[in-house]
Amino acid sequence: DIVVTQSPDSLAVSLGERATINCKSSQSVLYSSNNKNYFAWYQQKAGQPPKLLIHWASTRESGVPDRFSGSGSGTDFTLTITSLQAEDVAVYYCQQYYSIPLTFGGGTKVEIK
Amino acid sequence: QLQLQESGPGLVKPSETLSLMCTVSGDSISRSDYYWGWIRQTPGKGLDWIGIVAYKGTSFYNPSLKSRVTISLDTSRNQFSLNLRSVTAADTAVYYCVRDVRGSSTSCYDYWGQGTLVTVSS
Repeated sequence: DIVVTQSPDSLAVSLGERATINCKSSQSVLYSSNNKNYFAWYQQKAGQPPKLLIHWASTRESGVPDRFSGSGSGTDFTLTITSLQAEDVAVYYCQQYYSIPLTFGGGTKVEIK
Repeated sequence: QLQLQESGPGLVKPSETLSLMCTVSGDSISRSDYYWGWIRQTPGKGLDWIGIVAYKGTSFYNPSLKSRVTISLDTSRNQFSLNLRSVTAADTAVYYCVRDVRGSSTSCYDYWGQGTLVTVSS
């Protein structure tokens, strides 16, 4: 199984400031045949299911604000929220979909400082 | 707009079978090329991928659960189900039904049900 390690477990950021979440996979999730990283990011607000924010490591889903961006390749990935808003308070998860079983990071709780 | 809704018992006894149903509205699971599946969430272990099935008949399961799990489609009712046998307290979780983004076994999930809490206890 590919192990996905997410950090930090939690972070507190002031409104309007940048939040950065990291994930590291135990093996590369970059498919050489199509040069795509099989990596996604989700946002889960309290009492709700996870919501897909980004797939292919950096492609935002329709309707996701552009303050959310994904970057990275191979084994190291980052989700950046450039200007934190109150509605961004949530737990964020990363996921690899390179190989079965699909696996998730442990989550990062983002709060307002 | 596609919607998924889980249903089933909220309490299951140890060693028995956990059975959940997911009702799909807004799309036909028999017309679609997507994979339909289940993911569970526990406070301690986070998100845990259980498995997926496609209308064309292919299915994939998490090896850690493979000996105990079956996911099936009921196209007449536009539903799919999860059966998890011989449950223990470790199977206590919120169970989500999901649909994948791109019609592939290796995919992420853009549609989720609201989730249903299943507790394993005598």
